[in-house]
Amino acid sequence: GESVGLHLPTLSVQEGDNSIINCAYSNSASDYFIWYKQESGKGPQFIIDIRSNMDKRQGQRVTVLLNKTVKHLSLQIAATQPGDSAVYFCAESLYSGGGADGLTFGKGTHLIIQP
Amino acid sequence: NAGVMQNPRHLVRRRGQEARLRCSPMKGHSHVYWYRQLPEEGLKFMVYLQKENIIDESGMPKERFSAEFPKEGPSILRIQQVVRGDSAAYFCASSPLTIVQGQNTDTQYFGPGTRLTVL
Repeated sequence: GESVGLHLPTLSVQEGDNSIINCAYSNSASDYFIWYKQESGKGPQFIIDIRSNMDKRQGQRVTVLLNKTVKHLSLQIAATQPGDSAVYFCAESLYSGGGADGLTFGKGTHLIIQP
Repeated sequence: NAGVMQNPRHLVRRRGQEARLRCSPMKGHSHVYWYRQLPEEGLKFMVYLQKENIIDESGMPKERFSAEFPKEGPSILRIQQVVRGDSAAYFCASSPLTIVQGQNTDTQYFGPGTRLTVL
């Protein structure tokens, strides 16, 4: 089956800088994309999502960009803080309309915040 | 509103024993999903259930693994005759049946996971 993949396994940024985490997906039929943050020993925490009928969505300090032409997804974190250190996963699913589907996860990017 | 609950948080079993993992979804959520995560990897979908129904079990191993979500009580992921390769973190997620308080029907919220170690 098709899967979601990530460009970089580790990203190191200075505290206060902006972070950009990238994700490539291969299933052109995917309709729904989500970013999760996972801290060590914990479950994935929902950050932000976006549907395929949008190309940008903003939350608090985070922005998700979707480029369907090249099947690329990115997560931008503004003014990174030490608490942002975690592994970030992108995930995709097919929107079934009447319910939800199992998510397909990428392998994750480990974001390290340097003081 | 309490989040997704999973227990036990840690489970140790010897080869050949049975493992039972429990998941209580968020209040108002009627969709439950189970995922498995190996060290340094992303989560892999296993099964999707609604109350008393298995909707999609395409990610479940054909043998030894089963899941249920009864009308009353938590969802159970059961692994019979565990082997060392079953050692992993098992996560449960839930999502609402309808849009509730602005929550999208597709958003899955995860529990803290059960870390299974097979000796």
